[in-house]
Amino acid sequence: SQQGEEDPQALSIQEGENATMNCSYKTSINNLQWYRQNSGRGLVHLILIRSNEREKHSGRLRVTLDTSKKSSSLLITASRAADTASYFCATPEHQGAQKLVFGQGTRLTINP
Amino acid sequence: EPEVTQTPSHQVTQMGQEVILRCVPISNHLYFYWYRQILGQKVEFLVSFYNNEISEKSEIFDDQFSVERPDGSNFTLKIRSTKLEDSAMYFCASSQTSGGSTDTQYFGPGTRLTVL
Repeated sequence: SQQGEEDPQALSIQEGENATMNCSYKTSINNLQWYRQNSGRGLVHLILIRSNEREKHSGRLRVTLDTSKKSSSLLITASRAADTASYFCATPEHQGAQKLVFGQGTRLTINP
Repeated sequence: EPEVTQTPSHQVTQMGQEVILRCVPISNHLYFYWYRQILGQKVEFLVSFYNNEISEKSEIFDDQFSVERPDGSNFTLKIRSTKLEDSAMYFCASSQTSGGSTDTQYFGPGTRLTVL
């Protein structure tokens, strides 16, 4: 897989359920970021996790990072209709790089 | 909360015309970026800019593209002679620092460029 690939590509769940999205990457990184994009709109920064962190929380979001497996997961708990969006992970192309590399994203649909 | 802003939100142009996309980064940020997203595809890096110079650029960022910080607040992307394949959403981003473990790039709402 390429740098910053999300899995699954699409996820549809009922409101109130938890949603888990995964991201894999290839190179050594110093951080990993998750962004949300509502249809046709801008990228909203959700959370950054540093390479020396294993887990980070922000409200209903929980991000984990496993540098040995080069993977990260984003968990959204108690999902709401407003969480319907595409979610992307982004990593620096290499440590110290300014260029962020994005995956294809996971399209999350929350059904009322 | 400070935001990156972009104008226009939608630009329609004829092939071969020049376009300038404008961005106002977050005021205390020092690093500026342009990315683009062709419909249905990944977000792709174009260029980064620091201290009035390009610091990194991708292979997409050829001679048809240029960036400029004409004053203390604006950051522009110019496409000299647009092609059909330049149709995409263009995102500006800024960050306070770069290359470190806590650098966060904040993105604007994007400009949708349509080349006819």
